[in-house]
Amino acid sequence: GNSVTQMEGPVTLSEEAFLTINCTYTATGYPSLFWYVQYPGEGLQLLLKATKADDKGSNKGFEATYRKETTSFHLEKGSVQVSDSAVYFCALTNNNAGKSTFGDGTTLTVKP
Amino acid sequence: EAQVTQNPRYLITVTGKKLTVTCSQNMNHEYMSWYRQDPGLGLRQIYYSMNVEVTDKGDVPEGYKVSRKEKRNFPLILESPSPNQTSLYFCASSPDRGLYEQYFGPGTRLTVT
Repeated sequence: GNSVTQMEGPVTLSEEAFLTINCTYTATGYPSLFWYVQYPGEGLQLLLKATKADDKGSNKGFEATYRKETTSFHLEKGSVQVSDSAVYFCALTNNNAGKSTFGDGTTLTVKP
Repeated sequence: EAQVTQNPRYLITVTGKKLTVTCSQNMNHEYMSWYRQDPGLGLRQIYYSMNVEVTDKGDVPEGYKVSRKEKRNFPLILESPSPNQTSLYFCASSPDRGLYEQYFGPGTRLTVT
């Protein structure tokens, strides 16, 4: 079956530090890949997505590139802010079956 | 406002007492899904539906039932809840098979004693 493996957390950074959260996946076919963010007490919301190999998703300074050769979709941001503190989930959807698989989530805390 | 709503938001119940968590979306989305979120386990898919009257099992369907009689509603039914179903539950919808982003509800925190 499909699986998503995320970098273990929690991650604590100082404001303006560089962020990388690793995500690798196994899937049949050509899945769509997503990063979702969950702020305390809220549901998940889409951060960015990529639907085919070599696509780069970007939003709010975050970026991730769909790497089929390494089956990876690592999340990066050049300069984090305190407001980026949240839980980040990597996810995939199998294009043919409609099943979705999420990683375990990585908790990010950014300190001033 | 485009949204996914869930009710109730919080529920404490006892083992074996049937319950239903409702989910409704106003975006005319084809796809809807239920997830549970547990510490250290991330989100796990319970059931999903790609259209009215079409439902499929996710990764953890045991102990749950769903129905999709109308496009906008996708209730989650626990016929005989047990303590291991204590969790945070999320409903989500998407325009097409989940290929596009999923829109999540605010969550339902269920405690089964």
